[in-house]
Order: sequence, then structure tokens, then C-alpha cells
Amino acid sequence: GESVGLHLPTLSVQEGDNSIINCAYSNSASDYFIWYKQESGKGPQFIIDIRSNMDKRQGQRVTVLLNKTVKHLSLQIAATQPGDSAVYFCAEISPMRFGAGTRLTVKP
Amino acid sequence: DAGVTQSPTHLIKTRGQQVTLRCSPKSGHDTVSWYQQALGQGPQFIFQYYEEEERQRGNFPDRFSGHQFPNYSSELNVNALLLGDSALYLCASSPATGGTEAFFGQGTRLTVV
Repeated sequence: GESVGLHLPTLSVQEGDNSIINCAYSNSASDYFIWYKQESGKGPQFIIDIRSNMDKRQGQRVTVLLNKTVKHLSLQIAATQPGDSAVYFCAEISPMRFGAGTRLTVKP
Repeated sequence: DAGVTQSPTHLIKTRGQQVTLRCSPKSGHDTVSWYQQALGQGPQFIFQYYEEEERQRGNFPDRFSGHQFPNYSSELNVNALLLGDSALYLCASSPATGGTEAFFGQGTRLTVV
């Protein structure tokens, strides 16, 4: 069946390095994707979104890339900070379907 | 703006009991969705309410039911609780038209013993 999934369950980076979190999707009809950040004990928090008619979208320290040919999304976080430590989910709309998430740990 | 609020924050129930969880959407939002998040997993879509009706439903049994009130707040009801229903239940609200970004509440941690 259709699914949204992530390549890696965990990612550990040094503070100040760039982080890249990947996500594969299988529903080629999906036209809208969101990256969420979830800290322990909290609900998911919106980070950035992208529509299928775009290849790239930039926010503050974050960039999302969409490769429709291989049905792949990535979230790039520049100059990763300890506060970025969390679980990151990609989700496709609608309704929202999430992958299992990637746990990002930032080492000082 | 209080954002999305959920109550209670934590709840312990016995197997076989029934539970009701509550959600108040963000101001200006009229669509409410419910998700179940098991430990270490991504949220799984349960159903979505708009104009007091269930608009979409995920792959959950009929034991899971909901309601939306005229003020857009919503309830999630689970009957005949199973141990496997233990999870974080998340509510998300969004506007019916315009932006599709959903705002999530902090969730209700349900433990079934």
C-alpha cells in the first residue's frame, strides 16, 4: 500500500554541523508535504512545507528538497543547534500520513 | 491565542472501560483531526471532523468515535479499551480553506492497564 517512510531512524551530529534528514514517499499523487518537529512530551510542530510543483523551499536555517522522480524528500538544517534535538517527521497531505520519524541528536 | 488545547493531559483507564478525550481548536480553525501515536511511532490518522460531521476516517475500528460541536471543539471516544490503545492521542486543527498547515495540541497520554 501507499506509505510515507524515513530512511534512518536516528541521526547524530555535532553542534554547528549541517543535518540532512531523508524521507521516501510512495504515493505519486501526493501534492503537499510538511516537515514536523516533535520534542519529548509535546505535539508535532510545523517546520516547513512544500508543494509538488516546487523542487526546493527555504526557511530560517531549514531547506526542504523534493525530488519527484525518485519520490524523495529531505530536510536540511544548517548550523545545527542543541535545541534542534527532536524527532522529525515528514507527512503528506491529505489526510496527513506520517512516517515513523528520525531522532536527531545534537552533540555539543 | 491559546492554540490547540487538549484535556486531560494524562489518563489511566482499565481494560474494557470507555474514555472521552477533548480538544479545542486554534482560533479561526474549523477542522479538527485526531491521531494516535504509539511510542516510537509516527502519528496515525484516526478521523477528521468538519461542520460537525466526520469527513475522513483512517483504519481504526468502530470503537473509536468522535464528535464536533458547533463551536468547533471536538471529542474522541474510545469504547471497550484494549491494552493496545495505550498511546499519545493528538488533536490537530486547521482552516477548512486556505492554508493546509495543521497545528497540534500537546496530546493526551492514555494508559490502559
